[in-house]
Amino acid sequence: EAGVAQSPRYKIIEKRQSVAFWCNPISGHATLYWYQQILGQGPKLLIQFQNNGVVDDSQLPKDRFSAERLKGVDSTLKIQPAKLEDSAVYLCASSLDGMRGRDGYTFGSGTRLTVV
Amino acid sequence: DAKTTQPTSMDCAEGRAANLPCNHSTISGNEYVYWYRQIHSQGPQYIIHGLKNNETNEMASLIITEDRKSSTLILPHATLRDTAVYYCIVRVDLNFGNEKLTFGTGTRLTIIP
Repeated sequence: EAGVAQSPRYKIIEKRQSVAFWCNPISGHATLYWYQQILGQGPKLLIQFQNNGVVDDSQLPKDRFSAERLKGVDSTLKIQPAKLEDSAVYLCASSLDGMRGRDGYTFGSGTRLTVV
Repeated sequence: DAKTTQPTSMDCAEGRAANLPCNHSTISGNEYVYWYRQIHSQGPQYIIHGLKNNETNEMASLIITEDRKSSTLILPHATLRDTAVYYCIVRVDLNFGNEKLTFGTGTRLTIIP
């Protein structure tokens, strides 16, 4: 089974620029998550989709971050404009249906963003 | 906020069993304990999960105390490739039966040759 695909692998931008990340979850996985991981910390959930609907975006900084999953498959996460503190690894994960007792999430390798 | 407490770091000799503790004293009766690990420059990898019974799979064993307030992840024969950050997570429920995983800072396990 193919894993969760993310691109690009690395990105360097200047502050106030825009950036977008792409995620292709495992085929058939209804639930998709975006996490932000700052160096030295554990991943923090930004947004969770169930198919193409948002389940939880309580920790997404909506003034600059946006995410969509239009057809319930691929997803994009955008930052506009970027700040220095947005430097982090952005991880995408998917799970079959988010129901209790499943084996858990599968994570992609992430996109490392550096804002200078 | 994470609902678990883990040591910041641990060392283990190669070939020995690595025992990683986790405290989750406020766990609810219907919350699962999950373990993930993250090797440098990779995304977190699922290891094992359990509710109240001990669990074992090809990667590790999970021992949960009878009161469910703590657990231990056991890697039976640690290798250098097990060097990683290990996260113990109590799964928080959202609506519609969906869950979210809230990560803490984890335990940095170093396997010593």
